[in-house]
Order: sequence, then C-alpha cells, then structure tokens
Amino acid sequence: DTEVTQTPKHLVMGMTNKKSLKCEQHMGHRAMYWYKQKAKKPPELMFVYSYEKLSINESVPSRFSPECPNSSLLNLHLHALQPEDSALYLCASSQAHIAGGPLTDTQYFGPGTRLTVL
Amino acid sequence: TQLLEQSPQFLSIQEGENLTVYCNSSSVFSSLQWYRQEPGEGPVLLVTVVTGGEVKKLKRLTFQFGDARKDSSLHITAAQPGDTGLYLCLTNFGNEKLTFGTGTRLTIIP
Repeated sequence: DTEVTQTPKHLVMGMTNKKSLKCEQHMGHRAMYWYKQKAKKPPELMFVYSYEKLSINESVPSRFSPECPNSSLLNLHLHALQPEDSALYLCASSQAHIAGGPLTDTQYFGPGTRLTVL
Repeated sequence: TQLLEQSPQFLSIQEGENLTVYCNSSSVFSSLQWYRQEPGEGPVLLVTVVTGGEVKKLKRLTFQFGDARKDSSLHITAAQPGDTGLYLCLTNFGNEKLTFGTGTRLTIIP
C-alpha cells in the first residue's frame, strides 16, 4: 500500500475559524512533509517531520501549526488564516529524511486538501 | 537563493511528437528527481538521478543529468495524451533546502 490519505478534500473557512488538516500513511515511513501549492505554481515546502520530531520549518507563519501525534499521522492546525493562504495543501511521506544528504528517497504525496479562506 | 528554473513553462503539442523539458540551476545539486502531477492529484515520482552524466530510460521517457550537475532534461518520445500533466524537478541542493522547479505544464493534443 503506497497510499497517503488526506482529509478533508475541500475546506472553506473564515478568517476567525480554527480547523485542522489530517494526513495518514501506513507505509512505515519516518519522514512526513507539508507543502503549500498555489494555483499554477510548484509546491513549496512548509514543514518536515523526521521520526515524529519537527526537523524543518521553512519560516512558516505561526497561524499554521503542525503536529505529528505518531509515525503514521500528521496534522496541520489552522487559525486566523488570511485569504492569501487559500491553496492546495499537500502532505507527503518518505522512508527517511536526511538533512544535507542527497535526495534519493521517493516522496509519496496525498491528493491534497483544497483550502479556501474567506 | 538557490533556484531551479524549468523551461518551457508551457508546452502544447500533437500526439506522436517528441519533446524535451529542461531543469537548470546556477548551483550544483547532488541529486535530482522528476515528478509528474496530474490535475486533482499529488506529484508522482518518475525518476531519481544521482550521477553527473547519467542517463535513465523509462519506456518513452529519457532523463539526463548534466555532467556539471547543474542541469537535467526529460525527453519524451512519441507523446501520448496520458503524458499530459505538470512536470516538476526537485532537489535539495545537498542541504536542507527541498526545492521544486518552476514547473512545465504539458498538454498533448489527441
């Protein structure tokens, strides 16, 4: 099973709401990632978790709060978002993430959550 | 700033034609991956190249890693409608900076 699942598929929220995006994988991967993809643009890395610890935070605003409760689950908590945060949020996983090493592991991506902030 | 530039940005060709997509940087990268993303889905890995000058073939797709490790190309022979999608290169430049290329949106017209 090489599937990464993401819920919900679509989310519409107001600027004062609090919501969470969920990501799950059962491949035994120890690295999980959040990316943000604006329309017609490539994905941009937000966070990397390695062995359930936050390894990389690409200077993401604090209104985005990641959480890795266990090795299979990754959440992204959203609070006080802005309309410009509307995008496709992609989760990915890989066997491992070695900072500074050559990129060789396959990242398996979920289908994404399309977020609209009103 | 380490950037990965892809060209062309958009490409629309007839079924059966050949095409090449490029991924270039001013910085050296230790390895590079190519992904394809179809509408409504996440990117899917096509290939990983790690050795300068390396050539890999995947059916009608041929991937090349430049000798200087600053560029890569993807050549598709006899394109088919199923090849339609957003093609993305990805590297970490040998550090923590996971960076996707700017993307090439390919449309194959039946």
